[in-house]
Amino acid sequence: QITLKESGPTLVKPTQTLTLTCTFSGFSLNSRGAGVAWLRQSPGKAPEWLTLLYWDDDERYSPPLRGRLSIMKDSSKNQVVLRMTDMDPVDTATYFCAHLISGSGHEHFDYWGQGTLVSVSS
Amino acid sequence: DIQMTQSPSSLSASVGDTVTITCRASQNINKYLNWYQQRPGKAPNVLIYSASTLQGGVPSRFSGSGSGTDFTLIITSLQPEDFATYYCQQSYKTPLTFGQGTKVEFK
Repeated sequence: QITLKESGPTLVKPTQTLTLTCTFSGFSLNSRGAGVAWLRQSPGKAPEWLTLLYWDDDERYSPPLRGRLSIMKDSSKNQVVLRMTDMDPVDTATYFCAHLISGSGHEHFDYWGQGTLVSVSS
Repeated sequence: DIQMTQSPSSLSASVGDTVTITCRASQNINKYLNWYQQRPGKAPNVLIYSASTLQGGVPSRFSGSGSGTDFTLIITSLQPEDFATYYCQQSYKTPLTFGQGTKVEFK
């Protein structure tokens, strides 16, 4: 049974750095074909993919946010951490982490965390 | 970036109806297309992956088809729990992108 859960601050001030942790169980990020992604969703909008870390340590980033994002794993703790610098009120959203499964080149998000609402305000 | 365009943006339907949602990619994505359902306040849940493969545990009233740039999600015999928002997502290449969503509402 795969589970993921996001944790971190619910409120950050503009210009601050957001750090969110995804704690997962039921899979190993060292297993071929596995990945963990971060996505966010503003109310009434579609999910927006932010970043993805594959089992082989390949990192992918959304081009417009690449300079502000970093993703890293702590395999000993089964955690993936998202850092997003220079937060702005437009970054207010629910942030999700999700398990990505790869097979024959096809990938999809088969398990998601419950999401955590992050507000950016002074 | 690959743009994903869904239609319609919303639709009204009744229990028992058959619903069709379409998704168009801005370039050929072969069959690298996934469909998700999202209920209010919940995370998205994958229904279909690789354009037409039903995710385990998803009812067979959901089906997907298409390849290249044009894709379809069909829900037959709509059930009360199917009133939700549906998103397509391409996994052909990063940045991974989603359609804007189709909200299925009670008629």
